[in-house]
Amino acid sequence: RKEVEQDPGPFNVPEGATVAFNCTYSNSASQSFFWYRQDCRKEPKLLMSVYSSGNEDGRFTAQLNRASQYISLLIRDSKLSDSATYLCVVRAGNTGKLIFGQGTTLQVKP
Amino acid sequence: DGGITQSPKYLFRKEGQNVTLSCEQNLNHDAMYWYRQDPGQGLRLIYYSQIVNDFQKGDIAEGYSVSREKKESFPLTVTSAQKNPTAFYLCASSKGTGGLNTEAFFGQGTRLTVV
Repeated sequence: RKEVEQDPGPFNVPEGATVAFNCTYSNSASQSFFWYRQDCRKEPKLLMSVYSSGNEDGRFTAQLNRASQYISLLIRDSKLSDSATYLCVVRAGNTGKLIFGQGTTLQVKP
Repeated sequence: DGGITQSPKYLFRKEGQNVTLSCEQNLNHDAMYWYRQDPGQGLRLIYYSQIVNDFQKGDIAEGYSVSREKKESFPLTVTSAQKNPTAFYLCASSKGTGGLNTEAFFGQGTRLTVV
């Protein structure tokens, strides 16, 4: 079983749609959680950290469920510019390793 | 400007040659990481270092070596023992590996092609 798993998609949605991505992790000692965005042939860039109480940044909302060991990202009012690959990232508390999921591809269409 | 610099951006290597990828950061971060990304795949951890003069193997360390003699620098050597070295290599750094504010920031990557 992979340490961090995501549905690779692709998710094809129209502009203005709401889309949600889920991610599960296997290491219960995981202590920090993040969502990154990666555009084609570019480096990943931090989208947002995920806090235990959930957090929001504009159209983006992240949630953490420690009991079920999953993280979610909700994007509201999708824009064409949101088209990218979204990477779920987990830091293992016992080793400090930063583990990436394989990414979920989003394509927003006009 | 503060950031992470990887060089070169593109690198071509002949089979059987070792090659070293550079990664420098001026963010005063303690932790640094090397990842490999193949087309259509996620990032896989090669090596990471939580502090100067210390580093640990990641999930795919075979055929690679690193050093961490200075806080700012974490070079990666791809040796001839790496069977399939053609890939996109990404270096990252973070303040630390525990507590708050441990998000990682990436360099622009090096595309290595074996010819």
